Amino acid sequence: GAVVSQHPSRVICKSGTSVKIECRSLDFQATTMFWYRQFPKQSLMLMATSNEGSKATYEQGVEKDKFLINHASLTLSTLTVTSAHPEDSSFYICSASRQQQFFGPGTRLTVL
Amino acid sequence: AQTVTQSQPEMSVQEAETVTLSCTYDTSENNYYLFWYKQPPSRQMILVIRQEAYKQQNATENRFSVNFQKAAKSFSLKISDSQLGDTAMYFCAFMTDTGTASKLTFGTGTRLQVTL
Repeated sequence: GAVVSQHPSRVICKSGTSVKIECRSLDFQATTMFWYRQFPKQSLMLMATSNEGSKATYEQGVEKDKFLINHASLTLSTLTVTSAHPEDSSFYICSASRQQQFFGPGTRLTVL
Repeated sequence: AQTVTQSQPEMSVQEAETVTLSCTYDTSENNYYLFWYKQPPSRQMILVIRQEAYKQQNATENRFSVNFQKAAKSFSLKISDSQLGDTAMYFCAFMTDTGTASKLTFGTGTRLQVTL
């Protein structure tokens, strides 16, 4: 149990476009999900805490208007990178919380 | 704020040998949880082991065990009988409680290479 999926696993987009990443808890309900960003050979950096039915809580330095988070149901949270730029290229990982955090497989975003 | 420090950026161990990865943390909390996560080349985060701070007994999961020293704020991971599949990044992580909104604070990671 406690499986978390992410879609897509890889995405390439042009600069200026928006990209949506989905995070789903497949076999449990999660009122809280987390979004992380990971640069090559670095640790996970928490971007925001996604709460079902309410606004996300962003970490200091993360632009909330650029990284839009929606947690519309107990099994789905989405991260939309708006007006993407090459510096937004990274590996994005979500986790769903149920006594502990269960991680999705990640999404590699490349912005050309 | 909590901090987690992993002072070994890279480690290497021969197959079947034992290796210990270090982790120290800083917190003013009394109740918290500590974790070791493994991130293989696939980049999927995998929970290796978990320790509750209120438990004095060190957690063990098959070949993986921890040495939890609460007073010293130290939480090392011992991997026995290392296998090639243990090659991965290992992250130490801290969480204040198990409420659903509790955040994880990660260390910078240790890259472990298991060699023949």
